[in-house]
Amino acid sequence: QSALTQPASVSGSPGQSITISCTGTSSDIGTYNSVSWYQQHPGKAPKLMIYDVINRPSGVSTRFSGSKSGNTASLTISGLQAEDEADYYCSSFTSISPLYVFGTGTKVTVL
Amino acid sequence: EVQLVESGGGLVEPGGSLRLSCTASGFTFNIYTLNWVRQAPGKGLEWVASISYTYYADSVKGRFTISRDNAKNSLHLQMNGLRAEDTGVYYCARGQKLGSDDYYMDVWGNGITVTVSS
Repeated sequence: QSALTQPASVSGSPGQSITISCTGTSSDIGTYNSVSWYQQHPGKAPKLMIYDVINRPSGVSTRFSGSKSGNTASLTISGLQAEDEADYYCSSFTSISPLYVFGTGTKVTVL
Repeated sequence: EVQLVESGGGLVEPGGSLRLSCTASGFTFNIYTLNWVRQAPGKGLEWVASISYTYYADSVKGRFTISRDNAKNSLHLQMNGLRAEDTGVYYCARGQKLGSDDYYMDVWGNGITVTVSS
């Protein structure tokens, strides 16, 4: 099972919106709504930001939103803030190799 | 406070063994799936194993064994036949409630470092 494909880096200025894509296949994102997104600051543990494609856990800012179309899921960060600078990983349930597959990761830089 | 704390990491020679543990607190341990996820130095996240039923990534199948002790709120990962490519930070992560169709990890430990080197 290959990793889901994410852009290596995305950048934006404070206040702008950015979108991170996550491309899989019909064996994962294309069929299942079990897409989640994780934020990881350097030296820290990952933090769940979005689950089941569109849902935010309690305490996560409403500036973070998720969506899916076909085999591609997306994470949008609106009103970009300095604290959003981190690595972001998508993940999905997969029917090929149990159970999870992660994305390659995207480094978000706030200019 | 909901918390996961890993222990048992360290330096081991190639071919050696190591047993990681994860102690949970603040939630009803026995109704959740638990997972191990690792991260090689400078690399991305890699799911390793899950337990409700047991599942393993192909890269560790036959070498690693995941287990849990519900009486002690603890999760374990027995790692045998270790290779250099097993080096990294290992995270314990809480998954979905048993019987759920959800697949995400909402609580993570701080991680423990495993180094496989001679």
